[in-house]
Amino acid sequence: DAGVIQSPRHEVTEMGQEVTLRCKPISGHDYLFWYRQTMMRGLELLIYFNNNVPIDDSGMPEDRFSAKMPNASFSTLKIQPSEPRDSAVYFCASSWRGRGNGYTFGSGTRLTVV
Amino acid sequence: AQSVTQLGSHVSVSEGALVLLRCNYSSSVPPYLFWYVQYPNQGLQLLLKYTSAATLVKGINGFEAEFKKSETSFHLTKPSAHMSDAAEYFCAVSGNTDKLIFGTGTRLQVFP
Repeated sequence: DAGVIQSPRHEVTEMGQEVTLRCKPISGHDYLFWYRQTMMRGLELLIYFNNNVPIDDSGMPEDRFSAKMPNASFSTLKIQPSEPRDSAVYFCASSWRGRGNGYTFGSGTRLTVV
Repeated sequence: AQSVTQLGSHVSVSEGALVLLRCNYSSSVPPYLFWYVQYPNQGLQLLLKYTSAATLVKGINGFEAEFKKSETSFHLTKPSAHMSDAAEYFCAVSGNTDKLIFGTGTRLQVFP
């Protein structure tokens, strides 16, 4: 099992540009979560999906952020336009049947907006 | 609503000493509780979980945690620290949804 795969590992972009982060969950997992980690705010849940349907997006900070899950094996988190305060490590995690089985995290994407 | 408080952002121990990382939770419903470990430049790895079965939970790498409802605590322990245990540890809680709410983390340093 290759685990949760995120790409890219690192992204440096200029303010105002569009950024797309990608995630491939573990095959067979029916939940997918996007988290953001910063020194100031710690780990924040942005949005999660169940069976490709967004369940809770209350953590998405602004309309500049959007997430999609077009199928069970792929999800994207898009920021448009990006701002320096979006600099953070973004993690994707997946789970089979939710919280009772814990989450498996990817290695993260380190985003730097200059 | 659920929340987690981790007491002590940094803990230092000598190799071979007891490791104790503290976590207190708040939940309006019976919680599920988790400990995760994060090594530098890596994602989070599940150490152990409590899902309303046995109150003493054993995890990987010799760690264990005890759920104490009366104290709303879920402290993580390991009898003898190893240099490889140096990392950041996160406690997390889930209530009646599938959202995991994480604490602010405790960085464990192990000295030889």
